[in-house]
Amino acid sequence: EAQVTQNPRYLITVTGKKLTVTCSQNMNHEYMSWYRQDPGLGLRQIYYSMNVEVTDKGDVPEGYKVSRKEKRNFPLILESPSPNQTSLYFCASSFRRQNTGELFFGEGSRLTVL
Amino acid sequence: GESVGLHLPTLSVQEGDNSIINCAYSNSASDYFIWYKQESGKGPQFIIDIRSNMDKRQGQRVTVLLNKTVKHLSLQIAATQPGDSAVYFCAENWDYGGATNKLIFGTGTLLAVQP
Repeated sequence: EAQVTQNPRYLITVTGKKLTVTCSQNMNHEYMSWYRQDPGLGLRQIYYSMNVEVTDKGDVPEGYKVSRKEKRNFPLILESPSPNQTSLYFCASSFRRQNTGELFFGEGSRLTVL
Repeated sequence: GESVGLHLPTLSVQEGDNSIINCAYSNSASDYFIWYKQESGKGPQFIIDIRSNMDKRQGQRVTVLLNKTVKHLSLQIAATQPGDSAVYFCAENWDYGGATNKLIFGTGTLLAVQP
């Protein structure tokens, strides 16, 4: 089954404790991206990657890091989480060039930073 | 999840009626538009898309209309069903097929279908 898998789905942590949210896709997509979703603000892009070893900042990259060492994986790293990073996070992927811009989203990771 | 629906405009319709969800986009240079559906506790799911060289596109029970003059997009759902209850997002692509393939999402509309 074609899917984007995120882990963990739910996490409660404390300020300053490093954490990683993993994302893996099995569709051989070149493009992967992380979004955060907050009430009233919609989906905002954090980072994206056009291919292996190619990453770039989205609209709200502060406080986050990513890496793309393999095509299928695109982890999101919070080196020192803060309460304003409490949010619902989505990973998404797609083919880079195609006739549709269909992004495939994961199920989301709800993060709470105390 | 449930918190996604907070602070959102809400459209309440009766089962069987047609629904129209509207969206204003920001960039007159955007050339590709997408509608997504997000059910409670799930990630957004692609519904239908439209290129800027079209003003209408139909899918199964859904139609997207594009008015570039006023930068307006709408999603019409025919014979709305309880399973259509969700948050609906429009998205515009600022760089379709380009270096970034960047999507800008609207804040969403909550569709509530009454039985």
